[in-house]
Amino acid sequence: EAGVAQSPRYKIIEKRQSVAFWCNPISGHATLYWYQQILGQGPKLLIQFQNNGVVDDSQLPKDRFSAERLKGVDSTLKIQPAKLEDSAVYLCASSLRLANYNEQFFGPGTRLTVL
Amino acid sequence: TQLLEQSPQFLSIQEGENLTVYCNSSSVFSSLQWYRQEPGEGPVLLVTVVTGGEVKKLKRLTFQFGDARKDSSLHITAAQPGDTGLYLCAGALGGSYIPTFGRGTSLIVHP
Repeated sequence: EAGVAQSPRYKIIEKRQSVAFWCNPISGHATLYWYQQILGQGPKLLIQFQNNGVVDDSQLPKDRFSAERLKGVDSTLKIQPAKLEDSAVYLCASSLRLANYNEQFFGPGTRLTVL
Repeated sequence: TQLLEQSPQFLSIQEGENLTVYCNSSSVFSSLQWYRQEPGEGPVLLVTVVTGGEVKKLKRLTFQFGDARKDSSLHITAAQPGDTGLYLCAGALGGSYIPTFGRGTSLIVHP
């Protein structure tokens, strides 16, 4: 079974530039998550989708971050414009359904460096 | 303020030693999960605990969920270099489907 795919794996941009990350979850997984993991910290949930609807985006900085999951499969996360403090690993995860005990399967992440 | 507090933050031990890491909260969780993350990779689920007082074993790893479902511990017996990684606890508050992670315990096991 193919895992969660993410691209690119690494991205270096200058502040005020825009960047987009792509995630392809495990086939059949209804729930998709985007996390931000700053070095030395645990993952922080940015947005959670159930199919193509948003379950929670309370920690998403909506003035600069946006995410979509059209057709309820792939998802993109965009940052526009980027700030220095956005340097982090962006993790995508998926789970079979919306349940608090469901296993989340994570992709390898995209490491973003903002100069 | 972290909803889930993990301790210790860092742990460096020799192969063969035992260790325990903790995950504490003032809130009640319907379930807690433990993940391990290696450098350059995403976290991988080790176990899910659901019932207060529950104990689960995975080879040399023993996981316990507190009776009040506010805390959990992970005990590793005879640690090996392959156990090196970041150990994360995660949970959703009762009735919520929104997961939250602790900051993690970074474990290094020296051969």
